[in-house]
Amino acid sequence: DIQMTQSPSTLTASVGDRVTITCRASQSISTWLAWYQQKPGKAPNLLIYKASSLVDGVPSRFSGSGSGTEFTLTISSLQPDDSATYYCQQYNSYSRMWTFGQGTKVEIK
Amino acid sequence: QVQLVQSGPEVKKPGASVRVSCKASGFPFTSYLISWVRQAPGQGLEWMGWITPYNGKTKYAQKVQGRVTVTADTSTSTAYMELRSLIPDDTAVYYCARAGADSANYWGPGTLVTVSS
Repeated sequence: DIQMTQSPSTLTASVGDRVTITCRASQSISTWLAWYQQKPGKAPNLLIYKASSLVDGVPSRFSGSGSGTEFTLTISSLQPDDSATYYCQQYNSYSRMWTFGQGTKVEIK
Repeated sequence: QVQLVQSGPEVKKPGASVRVSCKASGFPFTSYLISWVRQAPGQGLEWMGWITPYNGKTKYAQKVQGRVTVTADTSTSTAYMELRSLIPDDTAVYYCARAGADSANYWGPGTLVTVSS
């Protein structure tokens, strides 16, 4: 199984800050990586797919980058509504299985 | 609009089975995967498996392989997830989601399954 490691586990930042979350895969996954935002009591919401493709309707302050084993989600200017937990998720094109990272909780200072 | 309506909360005893349903509307059911993801209280997301309703093909996570069965009824656009031999660690919110091969862009509201003696 491919393992996904996210860092940090928790992040506290101020409104307007640039925030970066990292996700590392235990082996190369090309660009088969997605990012989700989840707020308490709600289902996850897809933000980014194929490492860097922004889902329609998602604010442009969210961006994704990376390939192979290292990926980042960047929020260019943190907003109060961005307080949530963020998960990366990989797709293994060989086994056709998914794996989620353990999550990063983003808090507003 | 795309909707995924899940069945209601369940309370089960250890060793029992549970079946959660997920009725889809607003999109061609056979053109997408239905993926199942669970989340234990206060924990992260865990992928369980998916089904291609078009041909019934499935794929399961190794952790639940042998205990889980995902099926789809194309006549009613409903997917089902059955989990057997329940243990307390199976207590979680179970989500269905409309997916492409690599990610899920529409999610159901979740179904809480509680396993307790």
